[in-house]
Amino acid sequence: EAGVAQSPRYKIIEKRQSVAFWCNPISGHATLYWYQQILGQGPKLLIQFQNNGVVDDSQLPKDRFSAERLKGVDSTLKIQPAKLEDSAVYLCASRPSPLHFGNGTRLTVT
Amino acid sequence: RKEVEQDPGPFNVPEGATVAFNCTYSNSASQSFFWYRQDCRKEPKLLMSVYSSGNEDGRFTAQLNRASQYISLLIRDSKLSDSATYLCVVKTGNQFYFGTGTSLTVIP
Repeated sequence: EAGVAQSPRYKIIEKRQSVAFWCNPISGHATLYWYQQILGQGPKLLIQFQNNGVVDDSQLPKDRFSAERLKGVDSTLKIQPAKLEDSAVYLCASRPSPLHFGNGTRLTVT
Repeated sequence: RKEVEQDPGPFNVPEGATVAFNCTYSNSASQSFFWYRQDCRKEPKLLMSVYSSGNEDGRFTAQLNRASQYISLLIRDSKLSDSATYLCVVKTGNQFYFGTGTSLTVIP
């Protein structure tokens, strides 16, 4: 079974620029999550999708972050404009239980 | 109050040692519990689920105490390859909450 695919693996941008990450979950997995993991911390949920609908985006900084999953399969997460504190690994995960993670996108904002 | 709390360590133990990690969770309605392992610069991967009766997988034993809202992971006969960060994960409703992780280094 193919795993959760994410791209790019690494991204370096300057503050105030925009960036987008892409995720393709495991085939058939209806639930998709985006997590932010800052160095030394556990993953923190940003947004959860069930098919193409948002289940929980209460922790998504909506003034700068947006996410979509238009066809209920792959998803994009965008940051515009980026801040220094957005430097982190952005992990996509899908389920049914347990969570299966992609290998993440490591974002550095300079 | 955090949903999940873990001692971040680090734990540095010699090969062959037994080491235990603990985790507490705040929501008594949480229904599922897991330990994930995360290697440096890699994604978290499921190590084992935690069941009410306790469960074992080789050298790893997980325990759950619902009354105390406490989860533990015991690693026996530590190997160098066990060096990683161990994340306690609690599922409440449809959400998965992660602890900060406990760092383990097994020393030759």
